[in-house]
Amino acid sequence: GAVVSQHPSWVICKSGTSVKIECRSLDFQATTMFWYRQFPKQSLMLMATSNEGSKATYEQGVEKDKFLINHASLTLSTLTVTSAHPEDSSFYICSAREGQGGGVGYTFGSGTRLTVV
Amino acid sequence: GENVEQHPSTLSVQEGDSAVIKCTYSDSASNYFPWYKQELGKRPQLIIDIRSNVGEKKDQRIAVTLNKTAKHFSLHITETQPEDSAVYFCAASVGGGNKLTFGTGTQLKVEL
Repeated sequence: GAVVSQHPSWVICKSGTSVKIECRSLDFQATTMFWYRQFPKQSLMLMATSNEGSKATYEQGVEKDKFLINHASLTLSTLTVTSAHPEDSSFYICSAREGQGGGVGYTFGSGTRLTVV
Repeated sequence: GENVEQHPSTLSVQEGDSAVIKCTYSDSASNYFPWYKQELGKRPQLIIDIRSNVGEKKDQRIAVTLNKTAKHFSLHITETQPEDSAVYFCAASVGGGNKLTFGTGTQLKVEL
């Protein structure tokens, strides 16, 4: 079945630095990539939606200059957390779709646990 | 935008009993309703889904029902086992590649 590889699985960084998270679709072309953030014991909150070759669409309240999303190819999307602060510590997870239409499912990456110290 | 509410937030059942989790959605255009199981620190795993042209779907011990008129859908797990213990999320989306909106989650604990 469809697989999305997400790296790194965990990362610890210092305040003020930037962190890049990668999601690769291994056996399909990810037309659309969704990026979610999940705080402990909370739900998955959508941060942004990106389509290959287009600018990402950010959800209300998500700073596009802080969370940079690049979806330059059909198999790779990246999320860069710039100038990270402790409040950015969270579980970040991507979800990819191949094509559109009601018959296409969502494939999740394994998530990245970000800790900013 | 879409708003999905989920109840209960926690649910404890005895092994072998049934568990029911309920969700309501706000956008009548939503037509895809998946359920996910998430273990601590892991990715959500799709356990069952239903589309708006179907009222009920079953897969072994798991079933989902959908009431489009009332805009609610439910997850039913029968003969629960300890390995069913996890957080369960409902979600809704309008078809055509649109985003999933997740419910708030239900922590299910199956006790021996």
